[in-house]
Amino acid sequence: QVQLVQSGAEVKKPGASVKVSCKASGYTFTSYGISWVRQAPGQGLEWMGWISAYNGNTNYAQKLQGRVTMTTDTSTSTAYMELRSLRSDDTAVYYCAREVAAAGTVGYYYYYMDVWGKGTTVTVSS
Amino acid sequence: EIVLTQSPGTLSLSPGERATLSCRASQSVSSSYLAWYQQKPGQAPRLLIYGASSRATGIPDRFSGSGSGTDFTLTISRLEPEDFAVYYCQQYGSSPRWTFGQGTKVEIK
Repeated sequence: QVQLVQSGAEVKKPGASVKVSCKASGYTFTSYGISWVRQAPGQGLEWMGWISAYNGNTNYAQKLQGRVTMTTDTSTSTAYMELRSLRSDDTAVYYCAREVAAAGTVGYYYYYMDVWGKGTTVTVSS
Repeated sequence: EIVLTQSPGTLSLSPGERATLSCRASQSVSSSYLAWYQQKPGQAPRLLIYGASSRATGIPDRFSGSGSGTDFTLTISRLEPEDFAVYYCQQYGSSPRWTFGQGTKVEIK
């Protein structure tokens, strides 16, 4: 079955970096993009960025530009999200999600995230 | 940047009742770019509706989506105990690529 398996919880000090992995299985990795979404404790969902698994193109949320890098390793069907210069407000659950762009019947496309990883808790604390 | 505003913030209902959740966009959104997700505590979000009104695979038909332009609605026709959760609308755009509403919590009355 289609699934995304994320790496385990991390505890980091302010100023450090974290790299979270997301291993895909059950589908052709390069046929879909991966988005990263985070959720601070008790808060809503925040989109962080997207990477095309086909060609590595990326699109990052403006507020994270310069601190985040998303990459893929097509040989292992794994996506990575690295966040640098961590602050306490980066404490959150980080999710990867498969992004679908599906052709509709009248020449338009549907976009949505149909499969999600279980999440990786990143705690930033001194 | 398009802002999605969900209302109400919290909906207190009993099992068997109908739930109507609203998602209003600050500018017109293509219906094909509007999705709804359900999230239960400690779990990842789950796709319910895409294209404003198409149910995702395995989603019961008590969930339905409607709307166009700036006003979209998620309706749960008869609440089951497992439906009490937080619901998010989401839209695909150009910058930023994705925007989420702030969520509506459906709680047991």
